[in-house]
Amino acid sequence: NAGVTQTPKFQVLKTGQSMTLQCAQDMNHNSMYWYRQDPGMGLRLIYYSASEGTTDKGEVPNGYNVSRLNKREFSLRLESAAPSQTSVYFCASSEGPTALRQYFGPGTRLTVT
Amino acid sequence: QKEVEQNSGPLSVPEGAIASLNCTYSDRVSQSFFWYRQYSGKSPELIMSIYSNGDKEDGRFTAQLNKASQYVSLLIRDSQPSDSATYLCAVDSGGSNYKLTFGKGTLLTVNP
Repeated sequence: NAGVTQTPKFQVLKTGQSMTLQCAQDMNHNSMYWYRQDPGMGLRLIYYSASEGTTDKGEVPNGYNVSRLNKREFSLRLESAAPSQTSVYFCASSEGPTALRQYFGPGTRLTVT
Repeated sequence: QKEVEQNSGPLSVPEGAIASLNCTYSDRVSQSFFWYRQYSGKSPELIMSIYSNGDKEDGRFTAQLNKASQYVSLLIRDSQPSDSATYLCAVDSGGSNYKLTFGKGTLLTVNP
């Protein structure tokens, strides 16, 4: 039982490059989330998926897209990376809709030069 | 804009003391409250959840909730150096939109 897994763990991109961050959970959770964490800013929600087949914007969605591929997988895509997207990205999942306890993946540390 | 406020710290306590971490929130309809611990370079892990007014104890940790004052706190008794971490308060967004709003966290340092 791996919980929430994320790939890659580290990534360096040049400005304008694209990439997809992958997230998978094996807890049969309905809801999945993508956050970014920057020093002094706390965790900020980028996008979430309340259930398979639905996605919604969070607090900071600009520059990102998401896909809920199936119940297990939720990917985050940066189409044209910018230095402002340098951050640590966390994926999380919860049983939802009334069980909001979130379980976090190990994170992806992204640097955009 | 729903807000969750925490003192950023750092909060420094000696080993064996009680550490008190505080959090206020703006959304009166919030029903679920969580405390996460995050070690440097690691992901957040849940240590306490509380849903009703009053105290909830789990080992050395006690969560306290006062919905009238929109205030939630975490007490850590007999603090250990291994408790040194950032503590994040999280509050549900109310309604049925499945989201949590996180505070920016309080850095706790326990000195041997």
